[in-house]
Amino acid sequence: QVQLGQSGAEVKKPGASVKVSCKASGYTFSAYGISWVRQAPGQGLEWMGWISAHNGKTEYAEKFQDRVTLTTDTATTTAYMELRSLTIDDTAVYFCARAFPGGEHELKYWGQGTLVTVAS
Amino acid sequence: EIVLTQSPGALSVSPGNRATLSCRASHNITDNFLAWYQQKPGQAPRLLIYEASNGATGIPDRFSGSGSGTDFTLTISRLEPEDFAVYYCQQYGRSPRTFGQGTKVEIK
Repeated sequence: QVQLGQSGAEVKKPGASVKVSCKASGYTFSAYGISWVRQAPGQGLEWMGWISAHNGKTEYAEKFQDRVTLTTDTATTTAYMELRSLTIDDTAVYFCARAFPGGEHELKYWGQGTLVTVAS
Repeated sequence: EIVLTQSPGALSVSPGNRATLSCRASHNITDNFLAWYQQKPGQAPRLLIYEASNGATGIPDRFSGSGSGTDFTLTISRLEPEDFAVYYCQQYGRSPRTFGQGTKVEIK
């Protein structure tokens, strides 16, 4: 079965960077892209970006364009989201997600989420 | 960027009754690439509807989606206790693939 297993919670200081991993299993990794979505405490969902695991093509929300990098490692079937220059407003749960079979952005499969706390 | 506006922000409904949630887009959504998700506290979102009206695998048929262009609706025909949650729409026809701000469905 399709599973997306994310790395554990992180605590960072303002100005630092964080790199969250998303280990995929149960399917051909290169056949699907990975989307990243975040959710600040008590707030809604915010789409951050998407990466093709086939060719590395990326899409980023303009808000994060200068601070986020999405990558994949096909050897380990893992996707990564790195966010730089963290501020308190980046405190959130970060999710990775994948589309259903035949889809691209319809997010059927989700990781469990990674809480990133930014505090001085 | 396509902005999605969901209404109402919160909805109080009695179990067994119908809930109707709205999602309005600032621009036409290509090919009706509009999805609905359900989220419960502490959980990841769950895909309910894709392409505006297609039920995702394993989703009860009391959930239905409709609409096209800029106006979309999620209907829950007979609310079950497990349906009380927050619902989000998302357009994925154009990048950035934006979410609405959510509608909370509460028990009346």
